[in-house]
Amino acid sequence: DAGVIQSPRHEVTEMGQEVTLRCKPISGHDYLFWYRQTMMRGLELLIYFNNNVPIDDSGMPEDRFSAKMPNASFSTLKIQPSEPRDSAVYFCASSSTGNSPLHFGNGTRLTVT
Amino acid sequence: KNQVEQSPQSLIILEGKNCTLQCNYTVSPFSNLRWYKQDTGRGPVSLTIMTFSENTKSNGRYTATLDADTKQSSLHITASQLSDSASYICVVIDGGSQGNLIFGKGTKLSVKP
Repeated sequence: DAGVIQSPRHEVTEMGQEVTLRCKPISGHDYLFWYRQTMMRGLELLIYFNNNVPIDDSGMPEDRFSAKMPNASFSTLKIQPSEPRDSAVYFCASSSTGNSPLHFGNGTRLTVT
Repeated sequence: KNQVEQSPQSLIILEGKNCTLQCNYTVSPFSNLRWYKQDTGRGPVSLTIMTFSENTKSNGRYTATLDADTKQSSLHITASQLSDSASYICVVIDGGSQGNLIFGKGTKLSVKP
């Protein structure tokens, strides 16, 4: 298995632009998570899905952030409009059950100027 | 408040030496504790999972300990190698209905030749 695949690996955009991050989880995994990582705050859960249904989005910072999972093999995290404080590394992770170890992708490094 | 504190924040050791990383938590109820290794530019990778009844678990040169009474865990690395240079993240899963993951901010380990 290729593992969790995220794209793009790097994204540089100007403030106010829309940003879309993509994730392909490991086949057969029922759980998908979006995390944000910064030096100051470490890893923070933004939202997670179970069987394509959003279960907990309490970590989504504000309405500028939205996430979708239209099918079991694809998810997006969208920021519109983006702001400089959104600059971070965004990780997608998947797991087979709620108690299984997380398998992380290699992240998308977002820079908003 | 559920928290996970790791120490030291960063550590530099010489190749071949041993080291121990610490993790203290206040998460209650407790379900399990996980150690992840995160190489630069990569997503975290699971090293060990420890449940309430487990005191010690090894994965090659990595040995994790857990004292559920004092709410402390450690990760001991024996005969360090250059490839051990990474951030090590302690994650505690609470025993509540949602099984929330509480992340520490990690210890950044540098192994020098």
